[in-house]
Amino acid sequence: QQQVKQSPQSLIVQKGGISIINCAYENTAFDYFPWYQQFPGKGPALLIAIRPDVSEKKEGRFTISFNKSAKQFSLHIMDSQPGDSATYFCAASLTGNQFYFGTGTSLTVIP
Amino acid sequence: NAGVTQTPKFQVLKTGQSMTLQCAQDMNHEYMSWYRQDPGMGLRLIHYSVGAGITDQGEVPNGYNVSRSTTEDFPLRLLSAAPSQTSVYFCASSYYPSNTEAFFGQGTRLTVV
Repeated sequence: QQQVKQSPQSLIVQKGGISIINCAYENTAFDYFPWYQQFPGKGPALLIAIRPDVSEKKEGRFTISFNKSAKQFSLHIMDSQPGDSATYFCAASLTGNQFYFGTGTSLTVIP
Repeated sequence: NAGVTQTPKFQVLKTGQSMTLQCAQDMNHEYMSWYRQDPGMGLRLIHYSVGAGITDQGEVPNGYNVSRSTTEDFPLRLLSAAPSQTSVYFCASSYYPSNTEAFFGQGTRLTVV
């Protein structure tokens, strides 16, 4: 059973546009929701993360929106740039337990 | 800042061969884990450890063994390589039990022929 479902699988956005990636989770006990960014040939790196006691977190052009009642969270990339082209993974974890990752979204930002 | 170091970066094995993927971290993290990454399937947990001498199975443990004799090292052993184990393998570490940011290594691309 997929604990975290991620969509879309791939996304193409024009430079300056908004990129939106969505995730849904099953376990209401999850208490940490990170997003990881991965460039080709590299390991994933933490981009931004949120805990379920807040509905939104913003860091620069990156924003997580969190809907606890719907068990969904999303990543918004404002003013998308070609350098944002990468694979993005959402994840969820429970304190003291493992991370569950989504299947990834390949983002391409066209100049 | 070394972080999480994986070796080798690339490896080609013949079916039936065995090998060990090395992982070392210098952040004194209690939690270490191994993932495999396959197209369209995300990161799947193979094995993990919450401290020296403690290991447990993840989602896809078959065909792999691990041990944790020190806090720093967490090697992954392929007992008898199969083509289905062709993948990119990532080691990660984090604090435990607060498990906030997981730090990943650069990955090992393994091909089994």
